[in-house]
Amino acid sequence: RKEVEQDPGPFNVPEGATVAFNCTYSNSASQSFFWYRQDCRKEPKLLMSVYSSGNEDGRFTAQLNRASQYISLLIRDSKLSDSATYLCVVNIGSGNQFYFGTGTSLTVIP
Amino acid sequence: SAVISQKPSRDICQRGTSLTIQCQVDSQVTMMFWYRQQPGQSLTLIATANQGSEATYESGFVIDKFPISRPNLTFSTLTVSNMSPEDSSIYLCSVDTEGVYGYTFGSGTRLTVV
Repeated sequence: RKEVEQDPGPFNVPEGATVAFNCTYSNSASQSFFWYRQDCRKEPKLLMSVYSSGNEDGRFTAQLNRASQYISLLIRDSKLSDSATYLCVVNIGSGNQFYFGTGTSLTVIP
Repeated sequence: SAVISQKPSRDICQRGTSLTIQCQVDSQVTMMFWYRQQPGQSLTLIATANQGSEATYESGFVIDKFPISRPNLTFSTLTVSNMSPEDSSIYLCSVDTEGVYGYTFGSGTRLTVV
């Protein structure tokens, strides 16, 4: 079983739609969780950290469910510029190394 | 967050040769990480570069194939040795300067082995 699993998509949604991605992780000792965004032919960039209490940043909401070992990312009022691959990143155990999901591809359509 | 300069940005190399990738960070960092991203796939951690000690390699990666240097707290190199077409990939360095607040990546090196 992979350490981190994501639905690869692709998700094709119209502008203004709400879209949600989930990511599951296998190690219950995982400590830190992030969502990264990767544009085509670019390096990944941190979108947001995921806190136990959930957190929101504008149109983006991240949540953590430790009992079920998954994190989610909700994007409201999708913009064309949100089109990218979204990577779920999890710290395995208590170390400093992080493991990446395979990414979920999102295309927002005019 | 840290600013990372990674070189070269891309290269096309002959099989059997070696390529050294450099990462320079604008601040001192304890740990630097090297990742590989094969076409259409996510990132895979190759190794952790520690200053003053040998790099720590992940399963499936060995020092003879991917030697790493970490001469100081702002610089690291990754060498891809005796290259084959299967080594064609994007290689990224990364640093953690914000603790649990995520990593910053270099812009990547796009390697094609012919």
